[in-house]
Amino acid sequence: KAGVTQTPRYLIKTRGQQVTLSCSPISGHRSVSWYQQTPGQGLQFLFEYFSETQRNKGNFPGRFSGRQFSNSRSEMNVSTLELGDSALYLCASSLVISGANVLTFGAGSRLTVL
Amino acid sequence: DQQVKQNSPSLSVQEGRISILNCDYTNSMFDYFLWYKKYPAEGPTFLISISSIKDKNEDGRFTVFLNKSAKHLSLHIVPSQPGDSAVYFCAASAGDYKLSFGAGTTVTVRA
Repeated sequence: KAGVTQTPRYLIKTRGQQVTLSCSPISGHRSVSWYQQTPGQGLQFLFEYFSETQRNKGNFPGRFSGRQFSNSRSEMNVSTLELGDSALYLCASSLVISGANVLTFGAGSRLTVL
Repeated sequence: DQQVKQNSPSLSVQEGRISILNCDYTNSMFDYFLWYKKYPAEGPTFLISISSIKDKNEDGRFTVFLNKSAKHLSLHIVPSQPGDSAVYFCAASAGDYKLSFGAGTTVTVRA
């Protein structure tokens, strides 16, 4: 069974640009979540989608947006990039195991903003 | 506001000894707790979880302990192996499909 696939793996942008990241979940998983990882901050929740609907949103500015398609694939977009947006962006698809919402993560997209 | 805290950014342990990772939380609504392990250039992988109705869960070399009154959980790895060198994240859920993560603890297992 293929895992969670994220593209691109690495990208460099400049301030003011926008970026779109893509995520293909594990087949059969309908929930997709996005997290931002920065040094010393752990993983910060961005948003979660289920059946093309955003069910949960973290405390990020409106420059961060996402969507989910009918095949469960998801994209996230960051507009007007700032230096502080440099981070590893992780996508995860979700399977409930014995009541726990266990996330399976992709390898991430490392964004560098210059 | 960091609801899940891992106060030790790093831990060094000798191979064969016990590794103990600690995690504290503030939100009393959390009802599931999970540990993830992350190697460089890879996404975090699920290790073990525990429900708030239990105080211990064991899976092979990994045991998680939960002390609800202290809002504290810990992960024990016995015996520690070189392949256990990684960053470990504690996470918690309040049943809303969102996980709150700690900042991580980097474990180094010395030969």
